[in-house]
Amino acid sequence: SQTIHQWPATLVQPVGSPLSLECTVEGTSNPNLYWYRQAAGRGLQLLFYSVGIGQISSEVPQNLSASRPQDRQFILSSKKLLLSDSGFYLCAWKKTGGVDEQYFGPGTRLTVT
Amino acid sequence: GNSVTQMEGPVTLSEEAFLTINCTYTATGYPSLFWYVQYPGEGLQLLLKATKADDKGSNKGFEATYRKETTSFHLEKGSVQVSDSAVYFCALSGGTGGSYIPTFGRGTSLIVHP
Repeated sequence: SQTIHQWPATLVQPVGSPLSLECTVEGTSNPNLYWYRQAAGRGLQLLFYSVGIGQISSEVPQNLSASRPQDRQFILSSKKLLLSDSGFYLCAWKKTGGVDEQYFGPGTRLTVT
Repeated sequence: GNSVTQMEGPVTLSEEAFLTINCTYTATGYPSLFWYVQYPGEGLQLLLKATKADDKGSNKGFEATYRKETTSFHLEKGSVQVSDSAVYFCALSGGTGGSYIPTFGRGTSLIVHP
């Protein structure tokens, strides 16, 4: 069966510090991968998605970046965090090319102080 | 482009009450439709889905029917429990044009009191 992992689970970082959040998927190959942010109030904001190694599409211009160094690894980064980067970050995957459902990770709660 | 509209929350019910959360969508063709649930502090989980018109998705007592004529996918449950308190998201994927980036509604918070 497939599983998705995210870490860390929680993170408190000062303004201006760097960020690295990691997501890995097990039990499948060549998944589509997604990063979402969920600010207070519930809505999901798609940040990045990837259909293959090294292929990243950005949905929202901001000080975040994403990378996919391996087939089942997706990393969200920032060189300098802003207060507005605080939120709940969710990684998700789905099968390539279809209209199947997404599978979400447990999330990372980021607080920028 | 595709869009999903959900009723504003929070929806507050007493235990054993009937639940309806409305969801309508805009898309060309025949997208797949989904309901996800998010419990506090967790990621989203698929609750149910329907892939073609008139399909009924069901799981854990929840049901939703894909209505092409009204472009709707309303979520229903006959008798809610306190443990159903969560945020519910309606979503779609696909349709004409083949966009595989899912479109989500803004979510509806459900609070069930004992």
